[in-house]
Amino acid sequence: DAGVIQSPRHEVTEMGQEVTLRCKPISGHNSLFWYRQTMMRGLELLIYFNNNVPIDDSGMPEDRFSAKMPNASFSTLKIQPSEPRDSAVYFCASSLTSGPSTDTQYFGPGTRLTVL
Amino acid sequence: AQSVSQHNHHVILSEAASLELGCNYSYGGTVNLFWYVQYPGQHLQLLLKYFSGDPLVKGIKGFEAEFIKSKFSFNLRKPSVQWSDTAEYFCAVLPSRGNNRLAFGKGNQVVVIP
Repeated sequence: DAGVIQSPRHEVTEMGQEVTLRCKPISGHNSLFWYRQTMMRGLELLIYFNNNVPIDDSGMPEDRFSAKMPNASFSTLKIQPSEPRDSAVYFCASSLTSGPSTDTQYFGPGTRLTVL
Repeated sequence: AQSVSQHNHHVILSEAASLELGCNYSYGGTVNLFWYVQYPGQHLQLLLKYFSGDPLVKGIKGFEAEFIKSKFSFNLRKPSVQWSDTAEYFCAVLPSRGNNRLAFGKGNQVVVIP
């Protein structure tokens, strides 16, 4: 199993530009999570999907952030326009959820975003 | 909402020393508990987990953790650390049923000196 795949691994962009981060969950997993990690705030859950449907987006910082999951094997997190304070490592994770029960979340390698 | 506390954010110790990292959580219901490890420059990897059964859980690389329900704790231990254990360790709590929100502690930065 390839695990959770994220791209790009590193992204450097200028303030005001649009940034799109991509994630491919583990095959067969039906829940997908986007996290942000910074020194100041640690790991924060931004949004999660179950069966491609956004369930909880209360962690999304503001309207500049949006996430989609068009199918079971692909998700994107978009920041438009980007700002320097968005600089962080963004992790995608996936798990198998069966009814009300949830299983272990497995993390991807992350995308290190730097906004200049 | 559940919350997770990890104390002693920075831990420095010598090889062969014993390690114990504390984790306390606040949540009234049944929980699943995890320890993740993040080696320098890498992603989070699962170290061990507790869902039910024996409260003493064995994980990879000689780590173990003990769930004490009465204390709402899930402390991580390793009897003898190695230089390669230098990493950041995160405790996480997930309600067994419900909202699917995994709550992380702030992490413990562990440095093992050769």
